Amino acid sequence: GAVVSQHPSRVICKSGTSVKIECRSLDFQATTMFWYRQFPKKSLMLMATSNEGSKATYEQGVEKDKFLINHASLTLSTLTVTSAHPEDSSFYICSAHDSNYGYTFGSGTRLTVV
Amino acid sequence: DAKTTQPPSMDCAEGRAANLPCNHSTISGNEYVYWYRQIHSQGPQYIIHGLKNNETNEMASLIITEDRKSSTLILPHATLRDTAVYYCIVRVAGSGSARQLTFGSGTQLTVLP
Repeated sequence: GAVVSQHPSRVICKSGTSVKIECRSLDFQATTMFWYRQFPKKSLMLMATSNEGSKATYEQGVEKDKFLINHASLTLSTLTVTSAHPEDSSFYICSAHDSNYGYTFGSGTRLTVV
Repeated sequence: DAKTTQPPSMDCAEGRAANLPCNHSTISGNEYVYWYRQIHSQGPQYIIHGLKNNETNEMASLIITEDRKSSTLILPHATLRDTAVYYCIVRVAGSGSARQLTFGSGTQLTVLP
């Protein structure tokens, strides 16, 4: 079956620093990847849609200059949280779409900003 | 995508069947019913999907009412590892359809020993 690898699984960073999260589709090519954010006891909220080779589409209220998304290849998308603040602490999840496998999710990244 | 309504929480005894309901009264004819689950601190996992016929796989069964306005996910013999939040999602399917999945609040299923 389809596998999406997300790394790191946990990261702690200081306020003001940047953190990069990687999302890789291991056995299929994903022209579209999605990035979600999930706060404790809440559902997943879509942040942005990432298409290979083009700019990401951000949801309303998500700052594109703060959450930089790069989808340079059909198997890799990255989310960089720039100038992180404690309120950015959350669980970030990526999802890759393929016409054969549908939607496959990564295992998530727990970001804690101190 | 049609809106779905699920109970916020349910309990089930280990070894018994867990029946999780979902209401989707505004579903359109070309929209499928998808079920995903999310175990604590993990990414969502696909369970099953269907259009109008009942479906079964190694994980679960999906029963869709004849009018398609509601469905039930059945875990035939729940185990402690089935404790998770279960999401019912309605959307159009098809090759090349790469719009996002929209998650509601889901049902927290707790399997009790």
